[in-house]
Amino acid sequence: QVQLVESGGGVVQPGESLRLSCAASGFAFSSHGMHWVRQAPGKGLQWVAGSWFDGSNENYEDSVKGRFTLSRDNFKYTLHLQMNSLRAEDTATYYCARDIGSYSEGIDYWGQGTLVTVSS
Amino acid sequence: DIVMTQSPLSLPVTPGEPAAISCRSGQSLLQSNGYNYLNWYLQRPGQSPQLLIYLGSSRASGVPDRFSGSGSGTDFTLKISRVEAEDVGVYYCMQALQTPITFGPGTKVDIK
Repeated sequence: QVQLVESGGGVVQPGESLRLSCAASGFAFSSHGMHWVRQAPGKGLQWVAGSWFDGSNENYEDSVKGRFTLSRDNFKYTLHLQMNSLRAEDTATYYCARDIGSYSEGIDYWGQGTLVTVSS
Repeated sequence: DIVMTQSPLSLPVTPGEPAAISCRSGQSLLQSNGYNYLNWYLQRPGQSPQLLIYLGSSRASGVPDRFSGSGSGTDFTLKISRVEAEDVGVYYCMQALQTPITFGPGTKVDIK
């Protein structure tokens, strides 16, 4: 079955960096787009970044452009989100999520999430 | 960005009774291929979201048939024919037509 397991969350100070990872299994990773979606405490869902199935293109939400970088390794079935210059407003649970298709067909599976807290 | 709105934002329900949630998009989600790129998700308390409906009206694998999605263009509806206790949580609509993917604010469903 499809499994997405996030890791790398934690508590950091403003301006610091974190690298989130997502280990995928149970499906043909190289055939699906992948996304990161976040949820601030008590708030709704916000898409953060997405990668095409082959890693040829990535897209970012405006507030993270230039600070976050998405990458994937289709041989190791892993997705990463490098987060630099973190801000208090980046505090959220970050979900790794699988696209239904090659990129923009919507999300079908979600991981359990990893919590990122940015606080001084 | 495509703005997504939902109504109501809070929905008390009675088990066994029907329920409906409306979702509206700021522009048409109907692509030239004839599909509406609108999905519905349920996030139960303390859990990750789960896909209920994709492409506007297709039920995801394992989703009970009491859930149905309808609509086209900019107006969509999620219906629960007979609410069960396990249906409580927050329901989100999401558009996947354009990047950035955007979500509605969520509709919190709980038992009266």
